[in-house]
Amino acid sequence: AQKVTQAQTEISVVEKEDVTLDCVYETRDTTYYLFWYKQPPSGELVFLIRRNSFDEQNEISGRYSWNFQKSTSSFNFTITASQVVDSAVYFCALSEAEGAQKLVFGQGTRLTINP
Amino acid sequence: DTEVTQTPKHLVMGMTNKKSLKCEQHMGHRAMYWYKQKAKKPPELMFVYSYEKLSINESVPSRFSPECPNSSLLNLHLHALQPEDSALYLCASSQSRGFEETQYFGPGTRLLVL
Repeated sequence: AQKVTQAQTEISVVEKEDVTLDCVYETRDTTYYLFWYKQPPSGELVFLIRRNSFDEQNEISGRYSWNFQKSTSSFNFTITASQVVDSAVYFCALSEAEGAQKLVFGQGTRLTINP
Repeated sequence: DTEVTQTPKHLVMGMTNKKSLKCEQHMGHRAMYWYKQKAKKPPELMFVYSYEKLSINESVPSRFSPECPNSSLLNLHLHALQPEDSALYLCASSQSRGFEETQYFGPGTRLLVL
């Protein structure tokens, strides 16, 4: 069975600090997809990144970076030099090749960036 | 353009009312989804339409009735709801290629049932 665990329920940091959001997943499939979504207070889930199980390259997009490690079943997300606008709930999610339309979400991490 | 629109943004209804939520996308996606999200919880999948056919129904009560009139539109008809149905209802769409299904979400409808 699939499972996504985001152990950090809430994180609060001061602006300009770096922050890492942890995501650990479980799946029996060899082909699967991992996602990060951002949900600001307005409610919309904003897609940030998709990574498939065959691509373990880390990715950097501006201040955002993602570290995918199959050996530890983790897909962590780091925000460098955080800003107040980064305050949101962040969800990690998993889908499998069989049943790719079913996204399994973690419980989310509420990130607060204080000025 | 990765825009999914939803109307209305907010809805208050009584338990005897009938109302509908609407969702629209113009990205050429052939899969559309309804999710329910309670406060401080992740979204829960309700329904999936692929090529305008209902492909997934996550055992949702019949007081929620989805409809997909065409490939761009998705409705959720509501009838005889309960206060516990109050939540954020999110619509999403994806290409429906059968793999690598990145779902793009709308802003949601905040529903309050009195």
